[in-house]
Amino acid sequence: DADVTQTPRNRITKTGKRIMLECSQTKGHDRMYWYRQDPGLGLRLIYYSFDVKDINKGEISDGYSVSRQAQAKFSLSLESAIPNQTALYFCATSDTTGIVDPETQYFGPGTRLLVL
Amino acid sequence: GENVEQHPSTLSVQEGDSAVIKCTYSDSASNYFPWYKQELGKRPQLIIDIRSNVGEKKDQRIAVTLNKTAKHFSLHITETQPEDSAVYFCAAAFNDMRFGAGTRLTVKP
Repeated sequence: DADVTQTPRNRITKTGKRIMLECSQTKGHDRMYWYRQDPGLGLRLIYYSFDVKDINKGEISDGYSVSRQAQAKFSLSLESAIPNQTALYFCATSDTTGIVDPETQYFGPGTRLLVL
Repeated sequence: GENVEQHPSTLSVQEGDSAVIKCTYSDSASNYFPWYKQELGKRPQLIIDIRSNVGEKKDQRIAVTLNKTAKHFSLHITETQPEDSAVYFCAAAFNDMRFGAGTRLTVKP
């Protein structure tokens, strides 16, 4: 789904470095999410944002921060990367305008991060 | 918070057979239950979803059933084909979404 893009697609970094993963969407969706995927653990929610001024912690937010710079952009930062943050990171979006229940989430292509 | 358990973790079936994947959830407030398919190296993609006011939903060869009382829901794939081979994730959501750990389905030709 080219409407949700992530940069970079692959990244290798060292322990202690600060790193930012970026997500952009052209869908006009109001909600954006960051997940990490580890083998055997499925997708775990890191942070989610209902709109530019509304950011919420997910189940594994420790060690991460986010910024919703605009409705279309949602960045994930690792302030001081550690090896157990090595994972596949997915951004997702959903459109809930006028609807109370969460809607279908559309995922970006993922960013593969390796922390040495 | 919500906890979603998914079984089995791996499933191997012969082409043409049916496959069933089961999930349970803990938060009775959850009201949206999607299923995602993830092929190797690709992003998860929605294949079917169900809301809490519906007990069953069907889309061609796939169907999902929901038992709100028991807090479990299942994915049924009939007449499986090799291209159904992938990892399948269930999820339960109210405000945020929690995913099961995934089921790796292999369909043998």
